[in-house]
Amino acid sequence: DAKTTQPTSMDCAEGRAANLPCNHSTISGNEYVYWYRQIHSQGPQYIIHGLKNNETNEMASLIITEDRKSSTLILPHATLRDTAVYYCIVRASDSGSARQLTFGSGTQLTVLP
Amino acid sequence: DTGVSQDPRHKITKRGQNVTFRCDPISEHNRLYWYRQTLGQGPEFLTYFQNEAQLEKSRLLSDRFSAERPKGSFSTLEIQRTEQGDSAMYLCASSRRQGARETQYFGPGTRLLVL
Repeated sequence: DAKTTQPTSMDCAEGRAANLPCNHSTISGNEYVYWYRQIHSQGPQYIIHGLKNNETNEMASLIITEDRKSSTLILPHATLRDTAVYYCIVRASDSGSARQLTFGSGTQLTVLP
Repeated sequence: DTGVSQDPRHKITKRGQNVTFRCDPISEHNRLYWYRQTLGQGPEFLTYFQNEAQLEKSRLLSDRFSAERPKGSFSTLEIQRTEQGDSAMYLCASSRRQGARETQYFGPGTRLLVL
C-alpha cells in the first residue's frame, strides 16, 4: 500500500471548517483513500473513503485531486467533539484477499473554543 | 448496540501470566482483524480471519501470541507469559466485503497493563 504523509498537528476554531490534508504521491490506480479518526482512548472510527471521485457523507467530505496524489478531509463545522487523531490510509481494493489497514502517525486535530 | 464489542475493556496482570481477550464482531461480518496500539503510535496489524480460517498470522509479534475464531463468530486473542512490553491497547475490527470495497469497523479496544 502507498505511503501517506500528514501534518503532525492542526488547530481549528469551533464552528469553522477543518481541512485536513494528506499526500499519497505513490498511490496506485486500484488503491482507495480511507480516513479514520481516533478520539482519545477509543477505537478508531471510520469516517469516509473514496477512489477518485469526491465523496460526502453525514460526517465529512473527501476531496481527491485529479492526479490522486493528495486528498483533503473536510469537516464542515468542527465541534469540540471532533478533537481527535485523524488517519489517512491508502489501501488496495479487495482483490479477494483481505488487506489490513496500515496506520501512520496521523494528524492531531484540536478544535478550539 | 450492534457495533464491535471487546471484553474486557481493561486488564492489569503481572508479568508471566497469561491473558485472553474476546472480540464480538458486527453480526454477519465474516472478516475479523486484530491490531495492537502502543502509546503515541497508530494501530499495528496482528492477524486476520475470514470466517473461522486464520489467513494471516505472520505479523503476530511472537509465538506467545495466538488467536482463534472457532465458529466464525467471536474471536479470542491470547498472550502467554506476558511481558511488560506487551502493555498496549488491543483492537479488534470486523468487515464484510462489498464488491471492491471493504470497510473495517473497530471496537473500543482492550487496554492491557503488565506489571
